[in-house]
Amino acid sequence: GENVEQHPSTLSVQEGDSAVIKCTYSDSASNYFPWYKQELGKGPQLIIDIRSNVGEKKDQRIAVTLNKTAKHFSLHITETQPEDSAVYFCAASMGGSYIPTFGRGTSLIVHP
Amino acid sequence: GAVVSQHPSRVICKSGTSVKIECRSLDFQATTMFWYRQFPKKSLMLMATSNEGSKATYEQGVEKDKFLINHASLTLSTLTVTSAHPEDSSFYICSARDQGARTEAFFGQGTRLTVV
Repeated sequence: GENVEQHPSTLSVQEGDSAVIKCTYSDSASNYFPWYKQELGKGPQLIIDIRSNVGEKKDQRIAVTLNKTAKHFSLHITETQPEDSAVYFCAASMGGSYIPTFGRGTSLIVHP
Repeated sequence: GAVVSQHPSRVICKSGTSVKIECRSLDFQATTMFWYRQFPKKSLMLMATSNEGSKATYEQGVEKDKFLINHASLTLSTLTVTSAHPEDSSFYICSARDQGARTEAFFGQGTRLTVV
């Protein structure tokens, strides 16, 4: 089955800095890669996703890049703000069945 | 994005009792719903996949008689933790996938279950 590795497990940055979270996946058949933000005591919220026919996608301060050859994808947050502090999960899935495999999560802390 | 409502957000129950958690898709029809369990500072562990009108598919190691899942309509799935024990205490989260061709699944707010 699919295996998703996510790094780092904890990321601490100063407000205004950029944050990068990286994930790798094992199954070349995976073609959908969502990113979720989970605040304490809440369910994950989809923040951005990318499909395998695209190499990069951007939405305001967040962007995701995908390298299919290397089987890795990354989340980039620019101009971080304290409210960006949360746990971020990457995931990978294939086809329309959408049973995603999640990474272990990254706890992002943005210091004001 | 679409809205998935999960209820209750928190529940405390006594050992040996059963607890029902509801997951509703508010503005779309969900042919498939997923139930996850999350331990503190850990990732989401898929427990089961439920499809409307059919039996749920449980992941290996998940007891189907202990975690009863019902997906009776396109907007509602329920998870019942039967004969709860303290080790069942956890954060349970549902997600629902749109009936259409969309790939995305949307998550509920989660339910914090504490068994005393």
